[in-house]
Amino acid sequence: DVKVTQSSRYLVKRTGEKVFLECVQDMDHENMFWYRQDPGLGLRLIYFSYDVKMKEKGDIPEGYSVSREKKERFSLILESASTNQTSMYLCASSFETGQPQHFGDGTRLSIL
Amino acid sequence: GNSVTQMEGPVTLSEEAFLTINCTYTATGYPSLFWYVQYPGEGLQLLLKATKADDKGSNKGFEATYRKETTSFHLEKGSVQVSDSAVYFCALSDPYNAGNMLTFGGGTRLMVKP
Repeated sequence: DVKVTQSSRYLVKRTGEKVFLECVQDMDHENMFWYRQDPGLGLRLIYFSYDVKMKEKGDIPEGYSVSREKKERFSLILESASTNQTSMYLCASSFETGQPQHFGDGTRLSIL
Repeated sequence: GNSVTQMEGPVTLSEEAFLTINCTYTATGYPSLFWYVQYPGEGLQLLLKATKADDKGSNKGFEATYRKETTSFHLEKGSVQVSDSAVYFCALSDPYNAGNMLTFGGGTRLMVKP
């Protein structure tokens, strides 16, 4: 089975901090994704990557950056955390077009 | 562009009732279609998929048939259980989109009462 592991289930940070969310997958998938999930807004794509060192903006990239130095790891970075970034963050990976994405358990991030 | 529309919830059913959650889509190509389930406090899990017209995906008693003529992928289960209470997401993958992005519906919350 595909395993997508997010480093933290719950995280509390303060405004202005630089926050790193880590995601690792063990199936040699090409594509990796970061979403945020908010009540009433569904899942929104922040960034995705289709290869090492490659990244593409999703629907809501503002205030975020990403890093993919190795194929199995995709990091989401909040450069200067703000309270409106309090959310559930979901990482996913997939092999190729038409194949399903596999999700991690999510990180519930609170910015105080 | 691509879009997925699901019926709004919550859907509240009694145990052993029949479930239908409607999903319709708009896509430029011939997408693959998926249903995901999210249990409280967890990430999304793939429930079933269909990759071409008339395919039927099935898993854990749930079924959905890819209907190209009606651009639909409705989720059904003959007899729901309390443990099926969750949020269900319909999604599509357009082969013409780079990076295998998914387009999600807004999700439908299902509550099953004993």
